[in-house]
Amino acid sequence: ETGVTQTPRHLVMGMTNKKSLKCEQHLGHNAMYWYKQSAKKPLELMFVYNFKEQTENNSVPSRFSPECPNSSHLFLHLHTLQPEDSALYLCASSQGGEKLFFGEGSRLTVL
Amino acid sequence: GDSVTQMEGPVTLSEEAFLTINCTYTATGYPSLFWYVQYPGEGLQLLLKATKADDKGSNKGFEATYRKETTSFHLEKGSVQVSDSAVYFCALRGSNDYKLSFGAGTTVTVRA
Repeated sequence: ETGVTQTPRHLVMGMTNKKSLKCEQHLGHNAMYWYKQSAKKPLELMFVYNFKEQTENNSVPSRFSPECPNSSHLFLHLHTLQPEDSALYLCASSQGGEKLFFGEGSRLTVL
Repeated sequence: GDSVTQMEGPVTLSEEAFLTINCTYTATGYPSLFWYVQYPGEGLQLLLKATKADDKGSNKGFEATYRKETTSFHLEKGSVQVSDSAVYFCALRGSNDYKLSFGAGTTVTVRA
């Protein structure tokens, strides 16, 4: 238990669906992150939020839309995804960026 | 930009064998270096870190030394166990940055 909880753990969606991934951290951290983990590729940083403000958008397509309503919650809204978006999406949090605490990930399959 | 390159896997070993996973980095200034581990079905967790040249990070029998002259941070363990089966990620944080850049991960399987 790392203190970072992601739901759902598994998600299957069609290309026309709209779904959301949720992340919650109970560590009092001020920064939250979305990473994409695909087989045989480096972890890709997608978004970073510091104190609820987005400070990084790593050229992510607009079909991925993050939302950070407060410093404990982070969402990733998904809309009209492509099969190549199938991956493990990891949420992480940190205090000052020194050490990241990761959730267990949400395994997304786009049909 | 800053980046890390780590050896491709998968790596399969027998119990009590010696493990080395190579990691080299490209960065300006003086980055901090990390190894994260991802056990099956879990998220990543920090294994060890080093923040300056010649520092040695160690944890759970694993070691890695920050070598600025060779821009490397190789992970080693002298005698692996089945429970060490996992994916290992090398990572870097630039000296003026808060973001971590990760390698592609190396899958290690230890057989009994």
